[in-house]
Amino acid sequence: AQSVTQLDSHVSVSEGTPVLLRCNYSSSYSPSLFWYVQHPNKGLQLLLKYTSAATLVKGINGFEAEFKKSETSFHLTKPSAHMSDAAEYFCVVSAPGGYNKLIFGAGTRLAVHP
Amino acid sequence: ETGVTQTPRHLVMGMTNKKSLKCEQHLGHNAMYWYKQSAKKPLELMFVYNFKEQTENNSVPSRFSPECPNSSHLFLHLHTLQPEDSALYLCASSQDRGTGSKAFFGQGTRLTVV
Repeated sequence: AQSVTQLDSHVSVSEGTPVLLRCNYSSSYSPSLFWYVQHPNKGLQLLLKYTSAATLVKGINGFEAEFKKSETSFHLTKPSAHMSDAAEYFCVVSAPGGYNKLIFGAGTRLAVHP
Repeated sequence: ETGVTQTPRHLVMGMTNKKSLKCEQHLGHNAMYWYKQSAKKPLELMFVYNFKEQTENNSVPSRFSPECPNSSHLFLHLHTLQPEDSALYLCASSQDRGTGSKAFFGQGTRLTVV
């Protein structure tokens, strides 16, 4: 069975410092993995997607994530946080089975302080 | 804008009311989804439609009734809801239902059942 664990429910950083949001996955198959971001009162926006082409995936707004099979991890990083990055971030795995069933992690709320 | 539009953005309804949520996508996608986002719970997949056919009902109570008249429109008909059904209801679409297909989300309908 597929599952996703986001290791931190809240992360707080100062503006200009690096961001690390941690995600571990469990999958019986070679997974498709995503990171989505949700700003307050907004829908979900796709940040990036991993599909086995490259282990380091670059996304929008300066975010990137590295797929590490040995650690079953897909952590999201950004070198320098911006105030506008404050939002909730979801790590997602796509389960096989003939249709695009997305399994969401519980989310990590990122706070960015001046 | 993600190309997926949901209306209304906010809805307050009594337990005896009947209302409908609407989702529209202009991305040419063939698969559409309803998700429920409750406080402090991961997003839950409710229904999947592919080429207007329902391919997944994730054990959703019958007081939620989806309808997909064409590949661009998806409705969620609501009747005799309970207060615990209050949540953010998110619609999504993807090119196809294949595993790993990118899903694009609407901004959601914030539903409050009183």
